Amino acid sequence: DQQVKQNSPSLSVQEGRISILNCDYTNSMFDYFLWYKKYPAEGPTFLISISSIKDKNEDGRFTVFLNKSAKHLSLHIVPSQPGDSAVYFCAATLGNQFYFGTGTSLTVIP
Amino acid sequence: NAGVMQNPRHLVRRRGQEARLRCSPMKGHSHVYWYRQLPEEGLKFMVYLQKENIIDESGMPKERFSAEFPKEGPSILRIQQVVRGDSAAYFCASSPVLAPGQETQYFGPGTRLLVL
Repeated sequence: DQQVKQNSPSLSVQEGRISILNCDYTNSMFDYFLWYKKYPAEGPTFLISISSIKDKNEDGRFTVFLNKSAKHLSLHIVPSQPGDSAVYFCAATLGNQFYFGTGTSLTVIP
Repeated sequence: NAGVMQNPRHLVRRRGQEARLRCSPMKGHSHVYWYRQLPEEGLKFMVYLQKENIIDESGMPKERFSAEFPKEGPSILRIQQVVRGDSAAYFCASSPVLAPGQETQYFGPGTRLLVL
């Protein structure tokens, strides 16, 4: 039972434009949401997080939006850069556990 | 993810053999998580350990899989009598705090297990 879903397996964006990665979840009890970035043959690295009591968190080019009523979060990257090309996982926490989505592969075209 | 070490990076086993995956957390981290990533799937939580304690193993298959995090040395994920379906990437992550949240986990590079 996939509690965190990323329905777009891949996304291509022109350099300089905005990348929007989406994530849906089913459990309203999740307390934190996180985004991780993963390059091939490496482990995921933390990107940005948001508490369930907030609706927006910004860090440089990265902004995460949380819509609790829709059980939806998104990651905006602007402007997108070729080095952003990677697989992005969203994750949600409940107590000690992390629940990960299946990932979206982002390709930023120079 | 610098600092979390996993070895081996690649492991090939024949069906029925044992696989031992090691994870050394970042210095100062006393909490370790193990995840499995099957092809075309996301990371699936397996087990959460503190030194000498299994805190949550609800994601671990009931048979053949075990994990430990001794007082000294790395955390070990052990898979006995491996089957082809165990072929996956196994990631370890460590954390300095008990309750995850805005603090995050730091991932190792993973061990890619191939069962022939």
